Amino acid sequence: GDSVTQMEGPVTLSEEAFLTINCTYTATGYPSLFWYVQYPGEGLQLLLKATKADDKGSNKGFEATYRKETTSFHLEKGSVQVSDSAVYFCALSDRGSGNTGKLIFGQGTTLQVKP
Amino acid sequence: DVKVTQSSRYLVKRTGEKVFLECVQDMDHENMFWYRQDPGLGLRLIYFSYDVKMKEKGDIPEGYSVSREKKERFSLILESASTNQTSMYLCASSHAGQGNYGYTFGSGTRLTVV
Repeated sequence: GDSVTQMEGPVTLSEEAFLTINCTYTATGYPSLFWYVQYPGEGLQLLLKATKADDKGSNKGFEATYRKETTSFHLEKGSVQVSDSAVYFCALSDRGSGNTGKLIFGQGTTLQVKP
Repeated sequence: DVKVTQSSRYLVKRTGEKVFLECVQDMDHENMFWYRQDPGLGLRLIYFSYDVKMKEKGDIPEGYSVSREKKERFSLILESASTNQTSMYLCASSHAGQGNYGYTFGSGTRLTVV
């Protein structure tokens, strides 16, 4: 079945460092891809998304490019801040799954940014 | 501001109690979902619903049931709470379609069963 694999955390960085969180997927159809962020004690918020190959999603300085050839959707940010400390989830939605729009999530990667 | 509202942020219940977790969305979404989140296990789908009175089992439905009598409300029921159901519960909703929209999540309910 479809699946999402994220790099294991925690990832610990100093403020202003470059961030990459790896995400790869397997899917039989043509998925849309998402990154969600969960701040401490909160639910998940949509960070960015991409719906077709070579699309780049971006928001709040974060970017991710939908790479069909490598089945990847890595999250990047050029300069992280302490306020970026959170858990990040990669997810996919298989367009072939009919009308449910069900998402499949990775395990989540914890990011801790130190001042 | 559109949103998904979960009725409680924190809940403490006793073993054997029947527990109701309520979720309401104001976006006229067709689909609604219940997940539980545990350290090291990520998000696991319990049940979902794609229409009023419709429901489908997710990956871990045992010990849970759901109710969707109105489009905006999706309830998760723990028939007889047990300590292994202590967890963070997340409700989400989305438009029907082919998955381009993603989910909108509630803030979560942290349930402790003692």
